[in-house]
Parts: sequence; C-alpha cells; structure tokens
Amino acid sequence: DTEVTQTPKHLVMGMTNKKSLKCEQHMGHRAMYWYKQKAKKPPELMFVYSYEKLSINESVPSRFSPECPNSSLLNLHLHALQPEDSALYLCASSQDTKNIQYFGAGTRLSVL
Amino acid sequence: EDQVTQSPEALRLQEGESSSLNCSYTVSGLRGLFWYRQDPGKGPEFLFTLYSAGEEKEKERLKATLTKKESFLHITAPKPEDSATYLCALGGTGANNLFFGTGTRLTVIP
Repeated sequence: DTEVTQTPKHLVMGMTNKKSLKCEQHMGHRAMYWYKQKAKKPPELMFVYSYEKLSINESVPSRFSPECPNSSLLNLHLHALQPEDSALYLCASSQDTKNIQYFGAGTRLSVL
Repeated sequence: EDQVTQSPEALRLQEGESSSLNCSYTVSGLRGLFWYRQDPGKGPEFLFTLYSAGEEKEKERLKATLTKKESFLHITAPKPEDSATYLCALGGTGANNLFFGTGTRLTVIP
C-alpha cells in the first residue's frame, strides 16, 4: 500500500481566512514533503520534514506554516494568502529522504 | 548545477502509434532517475526508478531506459488511457531527492 491521503480535496478561502491542509500516511515513512504546483508546471518543493524535523524550507513566505505533529501526519497552515497562491498543493512521503516519493491526490486551493 | 530537460513538451499519438519521450539531464552524483505519470488535477503516480546506465524497466506498455546523459520512456501501442503528463525527476544528493523536469503532455487519440 502506497497511499498518501490529503484533505480537503478542494478549498476556497478569502485573503483574510486561516485554514489548514492535512496529509496522512501509514506506511511508516519518516520523510514528508509539501509541494506547490501551478497549472502546466512541475511540482515545486516547499518543505521537507525528516524524522519530524523541518530539514528544508525553500524560501517559502511565512503565510505558509508547516507542522509535523507525528511521523504519520503533516499539516500546512495557511494565513493571509494572496490570489497568486491558488494552486494544487501536493503532499508526498518516502521511507527516508533518499527513497521513492509517493504523492497524495492533492488539495486544489483557490484564494479569492 | 543539476538540470533536467524533457522533450517534446506535448505529443499527440494515434492509438497504437508507438513513440518515445526524452529526458536529458546533467547532475553531479545521480541518485536515481524517476519517472512519474500525472493525470489532470491529481498527484504524480510513481512509475519507475533507474539508477545506472544500461538499466531498463518495463510496466505494461511502458519501458524506461537510461544512459549517462538521458532517459527514454518508450510507449508501445498506446491506448487513450495512457493520456497524461509524464514527468521525469532527478534524484540528487541533498535532502530533497527529486528535481522535476517540465513534463511531456501525452494525448492518445482513439
């Protein structure tokens, strides 16, 4: 089983809202990732957690705040987003940071 | 600097018309060349990993090959359900082990 579950599937929010994206895996993977993907572009890495510690932050604006409460869960907290932040947000996990990444189906975010 | 370039950007095939997608790369310390398939609005689905030149892997109508400078994804007798964007990605030496190319959008016409 290589399932990564993301919720919600779709999210519409205003620029003053606070919302969270959630990602869950039960494969015992110790690395988890957030990516942002705009239409017709490849996924762009945002954050990497390795053994529940943030190991990479790709200069992402502070309006995006990741959290890894335990080895199975990854959250992305959103606050004061801009319309240009509208995109597909993808979560992935891997056994560790050197192995195959398995992706969730994504959350389609629209910021109005 | 690591680089990965995919071609063509888009490809339209008739059902049954075999073809190949190209992924050219430069990297210091390759830790794998990954192929993913992505359907519109969905997350990438893992297909293959190749680690050394000369390696080949197959799955149904797909066959991936690797040289020291490029990888090919061969599609034999494609069907409409093979329509998707195919992404290749480099495995690097850092904590982020995926560096994606821009993808090839494949459309297979019945």
